[in-house]
This record gives sequence, structure tokens and C-alpha cells, in this order.
Amino acid sequence: GAVVSQHPSWVICKSGTSVKIECRSLDFQATTMFWYRQFPKQSLMLMATSNEGSKATYEQGVEKDKFLINHASLTLSTLTVTSAHPEDSSFYICSARETGYGTEAFFGQGTRLTVV
Amino acid sequence: GEDVEQSLFLSVREGDSSVINCTYTDSSSTYLYWYKQEPGAGLQLLTYIFSNMDMKQDQRLTVLLNKKDKHLSLRIADTQTGDSAIYFCAESASKIIFGSGTRLSIRP
Repeated sequence: GAVVSQHPSWVICKSGTSVKIECRSLDFQATTMFWYRQFPKQSLMLMATSNEGSKATYEQGVEKDKFLINHASLTLSTLTVTSAHPEDSSFYICSARETGYGTEAFFGQGTRLTVV
Repeated sequence: GEDVEQSLFLSVREGDSSVINCTYTDSSSTYLYWYKQEPGAGLQLLTYIFSNMDMKQDQRLTVLLNKKDKHLSLRIADTQTGDSAIYFCAESASKIIFGSGTRLSIRP
């Protein structure tokens, strides 16, 4: 299957700083990318859906200004956690889909963010 | 809205078959996935089924899809200790939504 590379795989940052997580589709063009967050021992919660070249659509309860998503090219989407706090510590996973609706999605390996 | 439900726990004896069930709500789902997650690790795609199929078999894994009832199941034959993990089903329509995960534990 196609490969989605997520970087970094883990990051530790100080409270108040910003962290950028990259999600790349390596061998296909990802029209749509999804960002998820997973709290310990819980399921994956969809944070937002982004389509290349347009603004991300955020799920209810997710702060747009806190979690900045950019999908500027067909192979790269970034999630920036701004002014991170310890409660933002979590496992973040991206997913990419080649075209829109109805095609298979591929997942990155996830990024474990720890804010100290 | 979209919703995916799973039972939270399943305990089986080593060597028996495990059946993990999932129900979903979006009838327009095109792909349905099963993922495995071991402690502290990311998601591992186990298998998936396209919505126009009703069964898919891959070695020890069998996926059954009842589209009418919006019910998906994953059967693991000859369950081993290495199968202990959390198993997530996910539906893919306009969004990809995950179930709560089923924690599978194996007893000797």
C-alpha cells in the first residue's frame, strides 16, 4: 500500500512553545488529509479534515487557533500546536486519501507529543 | 452524525477464535478498516473491506460485513498471546471515524 510518513515520531517541548508535525504522502497525491488525536487508553478523535489548497474543516470542540492545519501541497499537511500546554500532550496521527470520497486512506505512524 | 461502536473488552482462551464486533451508522461508508494497536505503539492496519464485499479472508483474519445491518466483524482464528492489543474498527465515508476500540486479552 501507499506510504504516509509522519514526522517527528515523538517530541518533547516546553509549555508555551509551538510544535509543528508534518504528514507526507510519499508515493501518491493526497487530496484529503485527516488529523486525529488519541488520549491514553482512548480512541482516535478526528480533529479536522483538510483538502489541498483550502481551509481545514474542524470538528466541534477543536480550537482552530490552537491547532493550525496547513495543506499547501498534495503531498504535505502540517499540524501546528500553538502555545502548547501539558493538556495538549497526546498522540497525534494523520491520514491521507488520494482523491476525495470513496478511496482508501493511509495512516502515518503517529507523533507522541509531550509538553512539560 | 457518524458513529462507530464496539464493545470495550473481549477475553478469549489461547487457541480459540476471537470475534470482535463493530456497528456503524453511515450507510455511505465505502471502506471499513480494522486496526491493531499495541501498548505505546501506533496503528497497524490489519485488513480492510470495501463496502461491496461481504467477506474477506486473509490468513487468520476473516472480516464479515453486513451492510444492511451496518455490522462489521473481525474473526481471528487460533488466537495467540501476540494478538493481545486494542482493535479499532473505522468507517470511511466523507470522514474516517474510529470506534472506541476493543481490548482483546488472551488467557492461557
